[in-house]
Amino acid sequence: SSELTQDPAVSVALGQTVRITCQGDTLRNYYATWYQQKPGQAPILVIYAKNNRPSGIPDRFSGSSSGNTASLTITGAQAEDEANYYCNSRDSSGTHVVFGGGTKLTVL
Amino acid sequence: QVQLQESGPGLVKPSGTLSLTCAASGGSISTSNWWTWVRQPPGKGLEWIGEIYHGGSTNYNSSLKSRVGISLDKSKNQFSLNLNSVTAADTAVYYCARSTSSYDSTNYYYYYMDVWGKGTTVTVSS
Repeated sequence: SSELTQDPAVSVALGQTVRITCQGDTLRNYYATWYQQKPGQAPILVIYAKNNRPSGIPDRFSGSSSGNTASLTITGAQAEDEANYYCNSRDSSGTHVVFGGGTKLTVL
Repeated sequence: QVQLQESGPGLVKPSGTLSLTCAASGGSISTSNWWTWVRQPPGKGLEWIGEIYHGGSTNYNSSLKSRVGISLDKSKNQFSLNLNSVTAADTAVYYCARSTSSYDSTNYYYYYMDVWGKGTTVTVSS
C-alpha cells in the first residue's frame, strides 16, 4: 500500500506529552518525515531521517519508528505547538511521494 | 540558505492551463536534490504533485500524470509546473519545495522537504 494513515485529531494538556502516529507499509523501508503547518502558513520540517531536527526546531520534538508505525512525540507541549502535523515519505516503489492525511493537534 | 518563491496567475479558467514558476535565491538548483510541487485544496491536506531531479528526471502523482509537467531552467535558477485541463478541483494553494532522498548506514531510506516556498493561491473559475 502507498498510503499513510494518521488520526485526524489529538489533544494534549499544556506541558504534557503527546504522541502523533503515522502508519503505512512503506514505513518498513522509509523513515517518516514530519511537518508542522499552522493556518495560513507553509509547512515546516520538524523531524526527518528517523529522529533528526532541523536547526531551530525545539528539542521537545522527537521521532521514533517501529515496524509500519512512526511516531512524533512532543514532550512538554506548548501553546505554540497547536497546529496540523503531516507525515510523509516515498512510497514502496521509491518513485512517488505520499502524505498522511494530517493530525490536528489541540493544546488545552 | 536557499529560498523559494512561487509566482503565476492567481486565476485560471476551467479547461485552461495552470502555469507556475518557483524561483530559487540564495543557492543553486543544480544540486543533488529533487525540486517538488505540492498543493493543498482549501481546508484539506497536502497532496504531492510531482518532482524533478537536477539532472532532469521527473516523477508525477499517478492521479495527475496525464495532465502535469515539471521542468527545470538552470540558467534562470528556477523550475516550473504546468497543469492542463484544469477544473475547480485544482483550486488550491500551490507550494514548491526542495527535497532530499537518500538512505542511512542501515540501508533505511529517508525523504524530506526542507525548504518550502510561501505558497501561491490558484483559483480555477470562469
